[in-house]
Amino acid sequence: DTAVSQTPKYLVTQMGNDKSIKCEQNLGHDTMYWYKQDSKKFLKIMFSYNNKELIINETVPNRFSPKSPDKAHLNLHINSLELGDSAVYFCASSSGGAAGNTIYFGEGSWLTVV
Amino acid sequence: AQSVTQPDIHITVSEGASLELRCNYSYGATPYLFWYVQSPGQGLQLLLKYFSGDTLVQGIKGFEAEFKRSQSSFNLRKPSVHWSDAAEYFCAVARGKLQFGAGTQVVVTP
Repeated sequence: DTAVSQTPKYLVTQMGNDKSIKCEQNLGHDTMYWYKQDSKKFLKIMFSYNNKELIINETVPNRFSPKSPDKAHLNLHINSLELGDSAVYFCASSSGGAAGNTIYFGEGSWLTVV
Repeated sequence: AQSVTQPDIHITVSEGASLELRCNYSYGATPYLFWYVQSPGQGLQLLLKYFSGDTLVQGIKGFEAEFKRSQSSFNLRKPSVHWSDAAEYFCAVARGKLQFGAGTQVVVTP
């Protein structure tokens, strides 16, 4: 069974659309994350949630809104998509925060905005 | 400012040769250190991690890394690379949040 699963894996959409990426983890972790990987492969954290509470928000535009209905799920909704939003989005989870704990990543969601 | 540096953007190595990927960090105290690998079109897989204790850490797929406090480094090594080791390798440090280096792309030639 996949530990951290995210859907869809590939998404092509037009500018201005609204889209969501779903993420679920079955590891029993209490902390979940969204990371963005740009075209140069640079990885940067966007959000972190602990037990459904937002704990890290890395100055991401308001068009990005994470939602955590329970500690096993962290979905990412993006409004008014822009060309620059094209990237790979990784969901991840850990037991506790990043310091001293291993973060497990999903397979990634390849978003292309045209 | 806290940072993670991978000086080599791209490394080409022959199959069977040894591989060493460099990672340096700049933090006030010893952070928690990780190496992840990303195969083409795939997600991130943890190779190994260092939290404390023995400074030579063994990981999966025959990789190892050595933490050197005096050099603020955590270099990744493999004695003999296989064609399947061609991938992007990321060093990462955690102090509150996980911060990644820019990655090193490894190309393996026959």
